Amino acid sequence: GQNIDQPTEMTATEGAIVQINCTYQTSGFNGLFWYQQHAGEAPTFLSYNVLDGLEEKGRFSSFLSRSKGYSYLLLKELQMKDSASYLCAVTSPSGGSYIPTFGRGTSLIVHP
Amino acid sequence: KAGVTQTPRYLIKTRGQQVTLSCSPISGHRSVSWYQQTPGQGLQFLFEYFSETQRNKGNFPGRFSGRQFSNSRSEMNVSTLELGDSALYLCASSLGQENNEQFFGPGTRLTVL
Repeated sequence: GQNIDQPTEMTATEGAIVQINCTYQTSGFNGLFWYQQHAGEAPTFLSYNVLDGLEEKGRFSSFLSRSKGYSYLLLKELQMKDSASYLCAVTSPSGGSYIPTFGRGTSLIVHP
Repeated sequence: KAGVTQTPRYLIKTRGQQVTLSCSPISGHRSVSWYQQTPGQGLQFLFEYFSETQRNKGNFPGRFSGRQFSNSRSEMNVSTLELGDSALYLCASSLGQENNEQFFGPGTRLTVL
């Protein structure tokens, strides 16, 4: 089966750094995505990791360890607009293609 | 370029009815995936269409079906609606490779009474 775990909710202070963890157990692994979803809006792409290591993109970084089935999303210099749900998604091979499995999302609340 | 569009945005149906949702992908995208999002289960994969063929399917009953047209537009149909089908239905388009990011539409909010 496919299982992806993320904390349900996290809170942080504006200007701080927060790390959102994601652990997964899946039958097969192609890559791992992070999406951001503001309340009432569609998810938007943040990052994609296929190899172990850290991918940095501005204030956001994503890390992957395939041997540990573990990823994290690091948000620096938090802003109020970063308050949103963060979705971890793993793609697994299926036939000649892939199937995405999403975690339930981590609701991040940034307060002043 | 224009984003992914979904119609209708809101829908209210009663148990036993059927519903058809529509999704127009970003121009040039050949893959369209459908998801159901609920507070309790999160985002769950329904199926993916690529070049008019269903390429993958999630663990949903046969009441959930879909199709894709030659212009890549896709429709999703749910028959014999149940209360538990109330959810936000999102479609996402991509170029179709496994490492391609998906672009999500705004969703259709379905309420079953």
